Amino acid sequence: AAGVIQSPRHLIKEKRETATLKCYPIPRHDTVYWYQQGPGQDPQFLISFYEKMQSDKGSIPDRFSAQQFSDYHSELNMSSLELGDSALYFCASSLGDRGHTDTQYFGPGTRLTVL
Amino acid sequence: KQEVTQIPAALSVPEGENLVLNCSFTDSAIYNLQWFRQDPGKGLTSLLLIQSSQREQTSGRLNASLDKSSGRSTLYIAASQPGDSATYLCAVLKAAGNKLTFGGGTRVLVKP
Repeated sequence: AAGVIQSPRHLIKEKRETATLKCYPIPRHDTVYWYQQGPGQDPQFLISFYEKMQSDKGSIPDRFSAQQFSDYHSELNMSSLELGDSALYFCASSLGDRGHTDTQYFGPGTRLTVL
Repeated sequence: KQEVTQIPAALSVPEGENLVLNCSFTDSAIYNLQWFRQDPGKGLTSLLLIQSSQREQTSGRLNASLDKSSGRSTLYIAASQPGDSATYLCAVLKAAGNKLTFGGGTRVLVKP
């Protein structure tokens, strides 16, 4: 079965650079979530989209922005990168039928290292 | 604000023993609860999802219970194997389409 696809899987950037992470949800899933997991920490919610509209926002820095496109894939744009942004970034998707189980399926993550 | 706690933070057992992992949450108004497995540096694999109206879910050697009123869930892994060594995270969903709030995880080591 198709899973959530994230690209790239690994990314190395310098401080103050910009990074773009991409997420392709499971086919027919219309809700996408972004989470950040720092070293030794649990995943923290950043932002989510439902039907291409932002549906919820967590502890996402102002330097970050995200959007969901017409084909339901999503991109997380990160500017003015800081050392503390080094983390594993997960994308998850779910089927937006509010009568469904709402299981969130996670992608393999993108490991961002800021030097 | 929902807080999710997992105790113990780490657990080491000999192969064959049953594992009992605990998860507690402060706000009992949840939509569902998920248990995940995470191998070092890897992604999150969903193991079981329990809806708020359910008391337990089973999949193979895994059984998860939910006591919403007391804010607790327990994951049982029967007859543990070295391949079960990983970090197990629980996460609660407050409402449909909402964010997951994760616990800190329990790091499990099953010794051969």
